[in-house]
Formats: sequence, structure tokens, C-alpha cells
Amino acid sequence: DAKTTQPPSMDCAEGRAANLPCNHSTISGNEYVYWYRQIHSQGPQYIIHGLKNNETNEMASLIITEDRKSSTLILPHATLRDTAVYYCIVRGLYSGAGSYQLTFGKGTKLSVIP
Amino acid sequence: NAGVTQTPKFQVLKTGQSMTLQCAQDMNHNSMYWYRQDPGMGLRLIYYSASEGTTDKGEVPNGYNVSRLNKREFSLRLESAAPSQTSVYFCASTEQGPSTEAFFGQGTRLTVV
Repeated sequence: DAKTTQPPSMDCAEGRAANLPCNHSTISGNEYVYWYRQIHSQGPQYIIHGLKNNETNEMASLIITEDRKSSTLILPHATLRDTAVYYCIVRGLYSGAGSYQLTFGKGTKLSVIP
Repeated sequence: NAGVTQTPKFQVLKTGQSMTLQCAQDMNHNSMYWYRQDPGMGLRLIYYSASEGTTDKGEVPNGYNVSRLNKREFSLRLESAAPSQTSVYFCASTEQGPSTEAFFGQGTRLTVV
């Protein structure tokens, strides 16, 4: 699996857009970029994923650069409930066993400030 | 729709004791996973089951065994618990393939004293 690099922490003012960057320079052509978040040590929650094109859903937008070496998760109007650890994950085949794994790094701790 | 259910939610064990963590999903997913999360760290994969009848080691399998009992259930067993296994354990399930969402349980908080 490709490795990802994220800043360890970020702050964002409530109501503003939160832009969380992720570098994945060794991503291969068939690997997807996933974002999850974890609130208060609960189970991780899926946010969004994409391959090449930008994606948007009710939670967030995902912007992937044309060379696919980096991406940005955008929370358009951050609220206090968005305070969490955000994980950027590149998902690919695991050990040739035919199973697609999620390999977690340390993520970015986002603090939304009133 | 319960999603992924883990039992128990909390457990304290003495060193050397054994126990089994249970996980069940009701989404008819083929693949199931066990992760552990230590304080301040990301999740690390212990074992996974790509489909019913198959299991494989992940990143940190030592000290653990698993059983894929049926399509719904995937259990994690600690045969002789050690303090180093104090952690939060998460079970997850997903359909096979690279473009599918994984669902996680709420975790089992295990302390080994």
C-alpha cells in the first residue's frame, strides 16, 4: 500500500472551511484515496473516497491533484462536532491475497474553535 | 440496522488469562477485519478475513488467533493475555473490492493487568 503524509494537527474557526491536506506520492494507478474520521476514540467513520476525479457528498468534498500525488479534504462549514482525527488512506491490494486493506497512519487532529 | 456489533465493550483481564472478542455484522459483507489502537496511534491491522472460510495475518498478529465462524461473525482470541495487549480493539467489515466503504464497530476497551 502507498504511504500517506498528513500534518499532525490543524485548527479551524467554526463556520469556516476546513482544508485537510494529504500527500500520497507513491500511489499507484488502481489505488483509491479514502478519508475517515474518528471522534473521541469511537470507531472510525467513513467520509468520502475517490480515484481520479473530485468527489462531493453531504459531508465533504475531496480534491485530488491531476498527478494524484496529493489530495485535500474540504469540510465546507466546520462545526464543533467536526473536531476529530482525520485519516487519509490509500487503499490497495494487501499482500497479494486479494483483499483490499485500509492501512491507517496517525492522521490529522482537527480542532474546530468557537 | 445495527451495522457492526462488538462485545464486550469493556474488559479487564489478568496476565495469562484468555478471552474471545466477538464481532458480528448484519450487512452481508464478505470481508471482515480486526484492528487494535494504542493511545495516540492510528489503527493497526491484526487479522482479516477476505471471505467466509479464509483468514490471513495483518501487521501485528502475534499473540492473537481468529475464527471466521460464518459470514456474519469474526472472533478474535487472546490465548494468554499480556499487558502489551492493553488496547482498544475495533472490528470492521466491507464488501470486497477497492472502492467500497468499511464500517467499524464501536470498539472493545481491553486492559490487561
